[in-house]
Amino acid sequence: QQPVQSPQAVILREGEDAVINCSSSKALYSVHWYRQKHGEAPVFLMILLKGGEQKGHDKISASFNEKKQQSSLYLTASQLSYSGTYFCGTDKASSGDKLTFGTGTRLAVRP
Amino acid sequence: NAGVTQTPKFRVLKTGQSMTLLCAQDMNHEYMYWYRQDPGMGLRLIHYSVGEGTTAKGEVPDGYNVSRLKKQNFLLGLESAAPSQTSVYFCASRSGLGAQHFGDGTRLSIL
Repeated sequence: QQPVQSPQAVILREGEDAVINCSSSKALYSVHWYRQKHGEAPVFLMILLKGGEQKGHDKISASFNEKKQQSSLYLTASQLSYSGTYFCGTDKASSGDKLTFGTGTRLAVRP
Repeated sequence: NAGVTQTPKFRVLKTGQSMTLLCAQDMNHEYMYWYRQDPGMGLRLIHYSVGEGTTAKGEVPDGYNVSRLKKQNFLLGLESAAPSQTSVYFCASRSGLGAQHFGDGTRLSIL
């Protein structure tokens, strides 16, 4: 079952912040975040593991609430280069064989 | 650094024709994946492999077959193409840390 992402789309001005959420109805072992620019391949951002800490990558960070089966991606002081579609991928097992991806959140950053 | 290479990049088929998509990776990864991406649907897993000589079904395996005869190659076959298989196909390989590395995709149209 696909995780649910919200919002489906968001438009920001350069410098504004955004939060993208990913929720699952099943217990999760890990959550992965990817960004895909139009016409390109998805690119890995970060992984959050069960029992792990909040991750950060420049001005993009994420958290994982295991009890709520939710993850949130935080984009701070957005840049034009942040535009794209963000996907979360969830994994129920520690083996990590495969991910189930959400339907994506389209983010547009305007000057 | 080639990473993950998919061939061909574009293809148009007629209903009932067959074809094979090739994915090659040069990172010595054990895990490889085939996804399809349709508008509004995110990435859906077709088949995957956890090592040379192994394959397993994903979420949407019907109408597709795969083979992993060599560790670096993962082939996706369509035996009798149908219009519903019009999509963008992505191959990915996975590092030990879990990050998936995607190829540039194959745009397949079936008339």
